[in-house]
Amino acid sequence: NAGVTQTPKFRVLKTGQSMTLLCAQDMNHEYMYWYRQDPGMGLRLIHYSVGEGTTAKGEVPDGYNVSRLKKQNFLLGLESAAPSQTSVYFCASSYTGPPDTQYFGPGTRLTVL
Amino acid sequence: AQRVTQPEKLLSVFKGAPVELKCNYSYSGSPELFWYVQYSRQRLQLLLRHISRESIKGFTADLNKGETSFHLKKPFAQEEDSAMYYCAPPGRGSTLGRLYFGRGTQLTVWP
Repeated sequence: NAGVTQTPKFRVLKTGQSMTLLCAQDMNHEYMYWYRQDPGMGLRLIHYSVGEGTTAKGEVPDGYNVSRLKKQNFLLGLESAAPSQTSVYFCASSYTGPPDTQYFGPGTRLTVL
Repeated sequence: AQRVTQPEKLLSVFKGAPVELKCNYSYSGSPELFWYVQYSRQRLQLLLRHISRESIKGFTADLNKGETSFHLKKPFAQEEDSAMYYCAPPGRGSTLGRLYFGRGTQLTVWP
């Protein structure tokens, strides 16, 4: 099993450009999450999904959209990137919600110039 | 919303010294609390959870309901314990299904 994978690993964008980050898991997990990690801010939840076709907002959803069309994939979109979205993005999945363990991907380092 | 506080951004100890990483949460009751760890160049992973009362890599964490704390402790720190540690309580009510991560404590264990 590959576990949780993220594509791409690195990306540099110019302000105003758009992009989609892909998260995939092969563990048949229902729940999937997108976090961003910034120095001094810890991990903050952007959006999450409790099952195929569902999405919910986290702490910092503005400027991002998500889709969960297939159970194994969770897409994070930036429609018009801003320098404030420079961050490391982590995807995670779990079979159910807490107290079930969340399994994390390796992260995507995004720089917006 | 649930709130979790990790008061120390950085913590340094020498190898063999005891270490305690502090975590305080904001709500009453008996929450299910977690500690996650991120070693350098590795993925974030679960270290331990309150409900299982286990000891992982020599770390333990006791839930103190009176102080609303869930501090992570190890009697003798090792260099390989150097990492970023996150305390994480789960959401409740409308935020059920998610974890709230603290801001993290970067632990450095010196040789």
